[in-house]
Amino acid sequence: GQQLNQSPQSMFIQEGEDVSMNCTSSSIFNTWLWYKQDPGEGPVLLIALYKAGELTSNGRLTAQFGITRKDSFLNISASIPSDVGIYFCAGQPFSRDYKLSFGAGTTVTVRA
Amino acid sequence: EAGVAQSPRYKIIEKRQSVAFWCNPISGHATLYWYQQILGQGPKLLIQFQNNGVVDDSQLPKDRFSAERLKGVDSTLKIQPAKLEDSAVYLCASKGSLNTGELFFGEGSRLTVL
Repeated sequence: GQQLNQSPQSMFIQEGEDVSMNCTSSSIFNTWLWYKQDPGEGPVLLIALYKAGELTSNGRLTAQFGITRKDSFLNISASIPSDVGIYFCAGQPFSRDYKLSFGAGTTVTVRA
Repeated sequence: EAGVAQSPRYKIIEKRQSVAFWCNPISGHATLYWYQQILGQGPKLLIQFQNNGVVDDSQLPKDRFSAERLKGVDSTLKIQPAKLEDSAVYLCASKGSLNTGELFFGEGSRLTVL
């Protein structure tokens, strides 16, 4: 699969703070997805992006599809304890098999 | 709507033993995936099915891993013989059509090889 670089690897944040994470690729993608995984569970889709430059919100989450098609950003506003978990970006390139590649994840821990 | 079902949730075996995982995708979803997730890493694709046909198994270690989806609905992933490095969570995912990016995951099957 494609190589996705996700950063930061982990973060500790204060409850109420805003947090940002990003994902970059050496290849062009036509779809960017952001997932959250809680301990012992499978990843759950948060936001899907399909167009370069697209900015999409889901509650306190906002994600953007980079203009170059090689990056994406996820912002969480006003963090709360339930935001704890691992956030994964995933990208799907222009290809016949629509293969999805995942980043290594950003682990978020909230200090109450 | 029921989600992706996987079993067992947990399995502990010794190296060189065999194990099988089962997945039932969301009803009507033609595309099914098996991913391997090693602790601290993102999911890595093992095999992708479209109905009962294999679309991509390029990253499946075929000397020990096999998967089937005979009737185009549920699927089984088998490992025989298991190695220590196979310890991971095996995630099944499905989606409604090939060209949509939105995968729905099951809770995963956690394998520990001793």
